[in-house]
Amino acid sequence: DAGVTQSPTHLIKTRGQQVTLRCSPKSGHDTVSWYQQALGQGPQFIFQYYEEEERQRGNFPDRFSGHQFPNYSSELNVNALLLGDSALYLCASSLGSTGWVSNQPQHFGDGTRLSIL
Amino acid sequence: EDQVTQSPEALRLQEGESSSLNCSYTVSGLRGLFWYRQDPGKGPEFLFTLYSAGEEKEKERLKATLTKKESFLHITAPKPEDSATYLCAVQEGNYGGATNKLIFGTGTLLAVQP
Repeated sequence: DAGVTQSPTHLIKTRGQQVTLRCSPKSGHDTVSWYQQALGQGPQFIFQYYEEEERQRGNFPDRFSGHQFPNYSSELNVNALLLGDSALYLCASSLGSTGWVSNQPQHFGDGTRLSIL
Repeated sequence: EDQVTQSPEALRLQEGESSSLNCSYTVSGLRGLFWYRQDPGKGPEFLFTLYSAGEEKEKERLKATLTKKESFLHITAPKPEDSATYLCAVQEGNYGGATNKLIFGTGTLLAVQP
């Protein structure tokens, strides 16, 4: 049973560039959440997608945007990269609910390490 | 403001020396508390979910417990392969403001020496 897969594993960009990160959820999951994890910190919630729509958003600027496809896979896009965007970007999948909130556990991929020069 | 605090920041144990990690939280209503294990260069690995005070979950040498203000992760007779960062996360939920996001603590770095 394939778990959450993310690509690429590592990425190096320069300030001002744009980046797209990809995520395939665990089989049977329909909800994808994205988190940013700085070194030595816990993950910070960016946003969550369910049924191809952004369901909830954390305290991140509009430079961070996303998309979910009909097969439940997802992309995270970051524009106008800043040095402070250097971090591990984690994708988590879970089983959603028809209600707005689901408390099912989120399962994480191994992330994309993004370095900004 | 919602907050999750984990202690200690780092813990070094000898193989077989049992101990506990603490996760204290302040949220207006708890929808779920989650424990994860994270190895270097990897994503968090799901361990347990606790939903209500008094609940306990066990898996091998790990046991998680929950009260109204904190959770403990008890490690019994740890082995070197238990070395990792253990993360606690809470999901806030009440009738006025349920949320899907997880609020993480900064983790406890556990090192078990043979």
